[in-house]
Amino acid sequence: QVQLVESGGGVVQPGRSLRLSCVVSGFTFSSYGMHWVRQAPGKGLEWVAVISYDASNKYYADAVKGRFTISRDISKNTLYLQMNSLRAEDTAVYCCAKDLHRDSNGGPIDYWGQGTLVTVSS
Amino acid sequence: DIQMTQSPSTLSASVGDRVTITCRASQSIGSWLAWYQQKPGKPPKLLIYKASSLESGVPSRFSGSGSGTEFTLTISSLQPDDFATYYCQQYNTYVLTFGGGTKVEIK
Repeated sequence: QVQLVESGGGVVQPGRSLRLSCVVSGFTFSSYGMHWVRQAPGKGLEWVAVISYDASNKYYADAVKGRFTISRDISKNTLYLQMNSLRAEDTAVYCCAKDLHRDSNGGPIDYWGQGTLVTVSS
Repeated sequence: DIQMTQSPSTLSASVGDRVTITCRASQSIGSWLAWYQQKPGKPPKLLIYKASSLESGVPSRFSGSGSGTEFTLTISSLQPDDFATYYCQQYNTYVLTFGGGTKVEIK
């Protein structure tokens, strides 16, 4: 079955960096676009970034553009989110998620991880 | 970026009620809209994609309609398991956006 397991969250000071990882299994990782979506405590869903199935395209929400970088390592079945210049408003649970359709550049999401909590605080 | 506005933000209903949630886009998104259900402490679950296509395994009491800028999610007969928060999401552009959510509460 499809599994997505995030790691790398924690408490970090404003202005510092953190890298999140998401190890996937149960599907052909190289065939699907992958997303990061976050949810601040008690708030709604906020889409963060997407990487296309072949890593040729990457897109970001305005709130993180220029600070966050999404990437993938097919050999390790792992998705990453490098987060730099972190701010208090980046505090959230970060989930990796799989696109519904094969060979996609970003669309509806059919599987989600449980998420990893990132807290930005001094 | 395209803004998605859901209404109402909270909805009180009883088991057996017909429930309708609306999602409006700030510009036309064709039919590139998905609906999700989220329960506390759980990741979202895909219900509907391409505005009206029912995801595999989702009960037929859920349906979606609309195109362009206005969309609806309808639950034909609310069941106890349906009390949750619902989100719309547009994917007309590569920069995706979610609506603010609609919480369906027990009346």
